[in-house]
Parts: sequence; structure tokens; C-alpha cells
Amino acid sequence: SQTIHQWPATLVQPVGSPLSLECTVEGTSNPNLYWYRQAAGRGLQLLFYSVGIGQISSEVPQNLSASRPQDRQFILSSKKLLLSDSGFYLCAGVKDGSFYEQYFGPGTRLTVT
Amino acid sequence: GENVEQHPSTLSVQEGDSAVIKCTYSDSASNYFPWYKQELGKRPQLIIDIRSNVGEKKDQRIAVTLNKTAKHFSLHITETQPEDSAVYFCAALKGKVSGGYNKLIFGAGTRLAVHP
Repeated sequence: SQTIHQWPATLVQPVGSPLSLECTVEGTSNPNLYWYRQAAGRGLQLLFYSVGIGQISSEVPQNLSASRPQDRQFILSSKKLLLSDSGFYLCAGVKDGSFYEQYFGPGTRLTVT
Repeated sequence: GENVEQHPSTLSVQEGDSAVIKCTYSDSASNYFPWYKQELGKRPQLIIDIRSNVGEKKDQRIAVTLNKTAKHFSLHITETQPEDSAVYFCAALKGKVSGGYNKLIFGAGTRLAVHP
């Protein structure tokens, strides 16, 4: 079955430090993948999506970037973190056989201090 | 632009009562409407969804109704239990389902508390 893994589970980083969050998918190939951010007590904000290797689209201008170096790997990065980057980062994929049913990974909780 | 409004933002009920959460959407082309449940500190989990070719769908104690003319849809939970306590998010697909990229527009969420 399809599973999304995210690494790390929690992270505390100082302002101005770099960031790299990893999302890997197993049990499927060529998935559409998404990065969302959820600020504390808030809703889901779509950051990036990818339909294939090297194909990234940004939804919100910010100091974050994303890359898709392999079919089942999606990475979220930043060169210099801001306090406002704190939140719960969720990677999502689309269920096989469906073009629209999204399921989420376990998330990475990022605290920028 | 596309928008999904969700009400209420918080809902408190007694165990055994029913709970109703409502969402309205702006994109008349939307044809897929999922509901997600997110427990504290966990990932959102899909609990029920509906396509625009039906007006209602049920799964045990939960049901979703859709009114395409009015562009609103609702989640109904009957015989609520303490384990139903969570944040619930509605979403609407931007445009119609296509074979490529499909974007979900999420509501802001409803925090449901079920008291024993």
C-alpha cells in the first residue's frame, strides 16, 4: 500500500539557519506530491506541488524552495529560516487510481527560535 | 479567486448529540469535496468525500450532503463520541478533476469538542 514518510519528525532551528525536510513515498510510482504548512491552530496552506522529477510549482512566494530529485522523493528547503516559518509541514500524495484523493504523511513539526 | 468558508470555527456538543459543520465554496466548476479529521498533533485523515454527481453520502455515523446550486456542503456526525473530538477540515477541488495536477482548497477548520 502507499505510504508517505517524512523526516525528521520534529526540528528546532535558530533563525537564519538552513532547512531541509524530506518526504519519501513508497508503494507507488510517479506520484503527484504536495507540501503544505500548518501554523499553530490554523488551516492548511499549500506551498508547492510536483507532478514529476524536476517539476515544481510554487503556490506562495516565500523564502522556501522545493526539489524533486527522484520520482519518490520531495524535499523542502530554505537557505535562511524566519520565525514565521515555524509550523507543521505536511507532505501529501494522491492515492493510486484517483486523480484527486490526497493522503498525508506524518508531518514535521518545525520550531524556529 | 477560489475560496472555501467553513463554519463554525468551534463546536461543543454533549456525547450522543449530533454535530453539523458547513462549508461554502466559490468555484462553480468544483466537483470533489473531501472532509478530513485531524487529531491533536497528528496528520489529517480523510474520513469521507463526495463527488458532485451525488447529493448525499453516508458512512456509519458520518454523512456529507452537497447542494451544488447553493455551492455548499455539510458534514453530519450523529451519536457523537468523545473520540470524535478533533479538528475537521472541508475542502473543494479547484476546477474539475483532471488527469494531471489537482489542487484542493481547504477551509479554515472546525474544532469539535465532544463532552462525556
